[in-house]
Amino acid sequence: QSVLTQPPSVSAAPGQKVTISCSGSSSNIGNNFVSWYQQLPGTAPKLLIYDNNKRPSGIPDRFSGSKSGTSGSLGITGLQTGDEADYYCGTWDSSLSAVVFGGGTKLTVL
Amino acid sequence: QLQLQGSGPGLVKPSETLSLTCTVTGGSISSSDYYWGWIRQPPGKGLEWIGSVYYGGNTYYNPSLKSRVTMSVDMSKNYFSLKLTSVTAADTAVYFCARHKFSGWYDWFDPWGQGTLVTVSS
Repeated sequence: QSVLTQPPSVSAAPGQKVTISCSGSSSNIGNNFVSWYQQLPGTAPKLLIYDNNKRPSGIPDRFSGSKSGTSGSLGITGLQTGDEADYYCGTWDSSLSAVVFGGGTKLTVL
Repeated sequence: QLQLQGSGPGLVKPSETLSLTCTVTGGSISSSDYYWGWIRQPPGKGLEWIGSVYYGGNTYYNPSLKSRVTMSVDMSKNYFSLKLTSVTAADTAVYFCARHKFSGWYDWFDPWGQGTLVTVSS
C-alpha cells in the first residue's frame, strides 16, 4: 500500500487530454513539492515535472503539473501513442522522513 | 551530459549481502547541490526509495530498510555504492541509481541509471 494514491490506470484517445491524480496528506504533498516521472516499458524512469509544476529542459509543454492542498496532478495534452507508459508521483514525507512514491498509473492511448 | 551507470552481481543468495555501485560520468560526485540515491522496483511493481548519500558522507535511509542498508561515496573514483545485508526473495528487484536534488521539502531524481536486475535465489 503506497503512501501516495494514484489511479491504477487511465486511458484516452490520441490527441485528447488526460489528468493523473496523486493524493497524499499534510505530512507529504500538503507541505512539500511534488515530482512526476515517466517510465516507458523496459526503461528507467525519467523526470517529467519537479517542484509541482516545473519542466526540465527537453520536456515538451504538453506535460504540466499542479498541486492543490494534499493532491497533485499531472496533465498530458495532445496524447500520442509514444506517451503510453507508467507515471509515478513522488515527494518527501516529513513524518516518515522518507521519499515516497505513488503506486503508479498506467496510461493507455487507445 | 551527466550519466549514471549501475553495476553489480545479478544473483545473490538468501541471507547474503547485495552490493551495487553506480559510476557517475560527465560530472562530479562532489557537487554540493546534490545527493545520490538508490531506488528499487520489484518485478511488475512500483518504485521504492532505498536511501540517498551526500558526498560528504551524510545519509538518509528508508526507515523500512535502515537496519540493513549502508551507502557510501568514493570521490576519487566518482562513484557511490549500496550494501543491503541479509537479503531475501523480497529484495529481488531492479535497482536504479539516480542523482537526487534534495532539501527536505523539495526533492527530485534526475538523471537515472539504466537499472540493474538483482535476483535473490539459492
